[in-house]
Amino acid sequence: AQKVTQAQTEISVVEKEDVTLDCVYETRDTTYYLFWYKQPPSGELVFLIRRNSFDEQNEISGRYSWNFQKSTSSFNFTITASQVVDSAVYFCALTVYQKVTFGTGTKLQVIP
Amino acid sequence: EAGVAQSPRYKIIEKRQSVAFWCNPISGHATLYWYQQILGQGPKLLIQFQNNGVVDDSQLPKDRFSAERLKGVDSTLKIQPAKLEDSAVYLCASSLDLDVVGPDTQYFGPGTRLTVL
Repeated sequence: AQKVTQAQTEISVVEKEDVTLDCVYETRDTTYYLFWYKQPPSGELVFLIRRNSFDEQNEISGRYSWNFQKSTSSFNFTITASQVVDSAVYFCALTVYQKVTFGTGTKLQVIP
Repeated sequence: EAGVAQSPRYKIIEKRQSVAFWCNPISGHATLYWYQQILGQGPKLLIQFQNNGVVDDSQLPKDRFSAERLKGVDSTLKIQPAKLEDSAVYLCASSLDLDVVGPDTQYFGPGTRLTVL
């Protein structure tokens, strides 16, 4: 069975601060995929990144960066210089053999 | 490109009533997903279709929930009869899954917020 833990329920930061959202996953399979989604107040989940278990290279996309560490089963997400528009719930998800498991989400509030 | 469409956006019913939700995926997307998202929780996969075949329905409460995907395009999710604990947002997503190794990116619709009184 697989599991995704997002221990941070809510985080508040002041605009322009950096913030890291944690994601820890559990699976016995060696082939799996990890995702991050953003869910703004409008409710529609927006895809941010997809990463397979064989690619541990970190990725940067603008102000967003992801740190994938198989040794600690973590796939953390960092927002640099946060903005008010980053306020949303962020979900980490694990897919093994097409079976999808989402974490409980981290609500990020960026205060102007 | 049009996104995933869902209707209705909101529905209020009384317990023991029936309700149906509709989803139109992105054109050409082979895989369609229905999720249930209870307030404060992450989405839980209810059923996954590839074209018009079911890939996974292990978490679908089959005594009251049913889903179909006619002709491998649109899909409907039905609850009959509804219970109070079915109050949630029902999300539909689709993915292309064409020549992709592993699961493809899912694109989500706006969801249907169901309130059962």
